[in-house]
Amino acid sequence: KNQVEQSPQSLIILEGKNCTLQCNYTVSPFSNLRWYKQDTGRGPVSLTIMTFSENTKSNGRYTATLDADTKQSSLHITASQLSDSASYICVVSAKSSASKIIFGSGTRLSIRP
Amino acid sequence: DVKVTQSSRYLVKRTGEKVFLECVQDMDHENMFWYRQDPGLGLRLIYFSYDVKMKEKGDIPEGYSVSREKKERFSLILESASTNQTSMYLCASSWGGDDEAFFGQGTRLTVV
Repeated sequence: KNQVEQSPQSLIILEGKNCTLQCNYTVSPFSNLRWYKQDTGRGPVSLTIMTFSENTKSNGRYTATLDADTKQSSLHITASQLSDSASYICVVSAKSSASKIIFGSGTRLSIRP
Repeated sequence: DVKVTQSSRYLVKRTGEKVFLECVQDMDHENMFWYRQDPGLGLRLIYFSYDVKMKEKGDIPEGYSVSREKKERFSLILESASTNQTSMYLCASSWGGDDEAFFGQGTRLTVV
């Protein structure tokens, strides 16, 4: 069964600290993995995309990693800011199927001053 | 910039009412999607459409129907609203099957 599991479910850290969010998946055949950021009351917005051959990709203070062998991804946030408070959703797509986009349930990140 | 617009941010409807949620995208995307988002369950696909007048059931289509008469517009219909359909509804569009999905701002529907 195609599944995407994220951990932790929620996380609270102090402003300026780093954190890492985890995503494990069993989607097959794998096409790509995206991390989305969803601010409260808004729709998700894509942060990064990882394909099978990519191990690391950065977008400012966000760095995503992918281990296609173990089917794990992480999103590392450096020097957190209050604006990083949001839900972070891991999304895995299967090849050539609009319906095979599997969403994780998200990690709710709260940054405290 | 891609824009996906949902007609309402907040809706309150009574049990048994017929409810229409509208979504419009301005990027000529082929694919459009309707999801619902509930705490702890993430986004679940209700229906998607890959072309005008074409639709496919997602994971939780029961109690919903959709309409896509024009490429830019995808409507979600709750035939007879029930309290368990209280949720956040998100519309999205994309070029192809595994391309980035662009989301609307969401509609928070409360059925009383």
